[in-house]
Formats: sequence, structure tokens, C-alpha cells
Amino acid sequence: GNSVTQMEGPVTLSEEAFLTINCTYTATGYPSLFWYVQYPGEGLQLLLKATKADDKGSNKGFEATYRKETTSFHLEKGSVQVSDSAVYFCALSTNRDDKIIFGKGTRLHILP
Amino acid sequence: DVKVTQSSRYLVKRTGEKVFLECVQDMDHENMFWYRQDPGLGLRLIYFSYDVKMKEKGDIPEGYSVSREKKERFSLILESASTNQTSMYLCASSPDRGYYGYTFGSGTRLTVV
Repeated sequence: GNSVTQMEGPVTLSEEAFLTINCTYTATGYPSLFWYVQYPGEGLQLLLKATKADDKGSNKGFEATYRKETTSFHLEKGSVQVSDSAVYFCALSTNRDDKIIFGKGTRLHILP
Repeated sequence: DVKVTQSSRYLVKRTGEKVFLECVQDMDHENMFWYRQDPGLGLRLIYFSYDVKMKEKGDIPEGYSVSREKKERFSLILESASTNQTSMYLCASSPDRGYYGYTFGSGTRLTVV
């Protein structure tokens, strides 16, 4: 079946550090891939998405590239800020699937 | 701005009470979903609905029911609240089956005492 595996957290970085959160997936068909972000006390917000291989999603300085050959969708940011502290969820949906499948989330702490 | 609105941000209820969590979306979306979120367990799907008056069980439907009488409103019902239902509850909607992503509400943190 379809699944998403993302790195366990928490991840703690200093401000202005480079961020990578790994995400790999297993899917039948041709999935769309997503990153969602959840700030403390809030619901999830769509951060970025990619709908086909080699697409790059980007938003707020975050990027992720849909890599079909490695079945990955790693989230990156060149210089993190304290305000990026949140939980990040990788997710997928396929043409045939009814629902989005979420990873378990990675908590990110950015220290000033 | 499109929205999914959950009626309460924080709720405290007693064991055995009947609890209603309300969710309203203003985007004319066909599909609506209820999740609960617990530390270490991620998001778990409780129920979903693809149309008015339709409902489907998710991964953890036990102890819950839902109601969708109107397209914009999807209610989650805890028939007899228990302490193990203390959790963050998230509602979401989408125009399709998920291919373009969901829009989430802000969540309801429910505590059952």
C-alpha cells in the first residue's frame, strides 16, 4: 500500500542554518506530493506541493523536488528562522486513492 | 480567503457526555474529513464524507459518529466521551479526493475529564 516515511524529530538547529527534512514514499500510480506545516496550537497549512516527477515545489524559502527515481521529496531551506519552528508533515495522494496519506511529522526547533 | 472553521478551539467535557465538534467550510468542497492528532501517532483519520449525507469510516471510527446534512457542515459526535478521546481534532476539506491537497481548520483541543 501507499505510505510516507519521514525523519523522526525533533530537529534542532540554530538560526540561519541549512535545513533538510527527509521524506520518502511508496505509492502505486503517480502520486502528488505535499509538505504541510503546523505552527504551535494551529491546524495544518499546505506549504508546497508537486504533482509530477522532477517538479519543484517552493514557498516561503522552502523547496522540495519530486524525485521519482529515489521516491523522495526532501524539504530544504537555505537559512532557517526562529519563526520556522513548527511540525512538518510530508504527504502523498494518488490518482486512484481516496485520501491523502500523511507521514508522522517532524518537529523542528530553531534556536536564536 | 477560503476557510475551514471549527467551532471551538478548546473544549473541556466530562466523561460520558455527548460531544459535538462542528466544522464548516465556505469553499463549496465536496469532501470533508475528521482527524485526530496525538503525540507520536501523527494524524489518524476518523471519518470522511464525499457528499451530503454520505459518510465513510476511516482508520479509527470506534466511539465516534458523524453527520453531514448540508454540504458545508461536517459534525463529529462523541456519543459518550471517554478520557482516551482527549486529543486535538482537525477538520479538513478538499474539492477532490485529495490530489490537490486539503484545507485544514485550526483544530479543537478536547479534554475529557
